Amino acid sequence: RKEVEQDPGPFNVPEGATVAFNCTYSNSASQSFFWYRQDCRKEPKLLMSVYSSGNEDGRFTAQLNRASQYISLLIRDSKLSDSATYLCVVSRSSTLGRLYFGRGTQLTVWP
Amino acid sequence: DAGVIQSPRHEVTEMGQEVTLRCKPISGHNSLFWYRQTMMRGLELLIYFNNNVPIDDSGMPEDRFSAKMPNASFSTLKIQPSEPRDSAVYFCASTRTTSGDTQYFGPGTRLTVL
Repeated sequence: RKEVEQDPGPFNVPEGATVAFNCTYSNSASQSFFWYRQDCRKEPKLLMSVYSSGNEDGRFTAQLNRASQYISLLIRDSKLSDSATYLCVVSRSSTLGRLYFGRGTQLTVWP
Repeated sequence: DAGVIQSPRHEVTEMGQEVTLRCKPISGHNSLFWYRQTMMRGLELLIYFNNNVPIDDSGMPEDRFSAKMPNASFSTLKIQPSEPRDSAVYFCASTRTTSGDTQYFGPGTRLTVL
């Protein structure tokens, strides 16, 4: 079983739409959780960390459910510039900074 | 502050040739990671180092791949001999190994083996 599972999409939504991505992780020892964003032909970059209480950064809201080992990302009022691949990422405190990446969910926002 | 630096950015070579990819991590970071990304397999961790010591190389595909980190500011990934199936984007990333620290990626090396 893969460490992190994501729906690969693609998600195609119009500008202004709300879109949600989900992922699950298999290892209950996972301690830290993130969403990374990767633009076409670019490197992955941190979008936001995910905290147990849930957190928001502008139009982006991340949620964590430790009991279900489930992470979500909600994007409100989608912009054309949100088009990218979104990677669900987890880490464990015992692995010296190693990250476990999902395959990513591709999002295209159209005008 | 400079980010992770990788060179070359693009490499085209013929099957059987040796390829060396280079990485300079962010100053002060003590963990370094080499990844490979393809459409078919996504982002795969090849090997990672902590304080210049290889910690886990289980992702290295086979003996044709080797990686070194002679000091805190430099690492290489070598493929010898290269094969067409090695064509991919190779990323280097670095981080400080405190829980939750962000991993910063370099721009990647796009390798094509003909």
